[in-house]
Amino acid sequence: AQKITQTQPGMFVQEKEAVTLDCTYDTSDQSYGLFWYKQPSSGEMIFLIYQGSYDEQNATEGRYSLNFQKARKSANLVISASQLGDSAMYFCAMRVTGTASKLTFGTGTRLQVTL
Amino acid sequence: DTGVSQNPRHKITKRGQNVTFRCDPISEHNRLYWYRQTLGQGPEFLTYFQNEAQLEKSRLLSDRFSAERPKGSFSTLEIQRTEQGDSAMYLCASSPDLGRGAFFGQGTRLTVV
Repeated sequence: AQKITQTQPGMFVQEKEAVTLDCTYDTSDQSYGLFWYKQPSSGEMIFLIYQGSYDEQNATEGRYSLNFQKARKSANLVISASQLGDSAMYFCAMRVTGTASKLTFGTGTRLQVTL
Repeated sequence: DTGVSQNPRHKITKRGQNVTFRCDPISEHNRLYWYRQTLGQGPEFLTYFQNEAQLEKSRLLSDRFSAERPKGSFSTLEIQRTEQGDSAMYLCASSPDLGRGAFFGQGTRLTVV
């Protein structure tokens, strides 16, 4: 079974600062993918970034980067230059290859960006 | 709009009534998923379709729940004899066969009173 752990229920960050949202995962599979989604108050899950277990480079997408430490089974999301519009829930998720590509989610971190 | 579309966005129903939700995935996506999200939790997998075939169902999907994707395009999720514990956000997602991620709709928020 797969498990995602997000230990930060809530985080605050000042506008223009960087913030790291923690995610650890547990799986015995060798081939898997890690995802981060943003969920604003409207409810839609917005895909942010993906990291494959065999990818050698850390993934980056604009202001988002994923700090992938395979030995520690962690996949932290780094948001640089935070903006007010970044205030939302953030979910880390994992997909194990061959399991219908379904996602297992963590409990999320609520990020609040302040002036 | 070419994203995943879900209807209705909100549904309030009395306990014991039946409800049906609809999901229209991104047109070229073969895979369709239903998830349920309760307050303070991440989404939990309910069921998965590859085209019109329902290939996997979670144990969360009790006998009162049924999902269909009759022509491999849109999907419906029906809950019979609703209970207060069914109150949640129901999210639909779709993805192409070789895609990296799933694209989600805005969800249907169900409140059972």
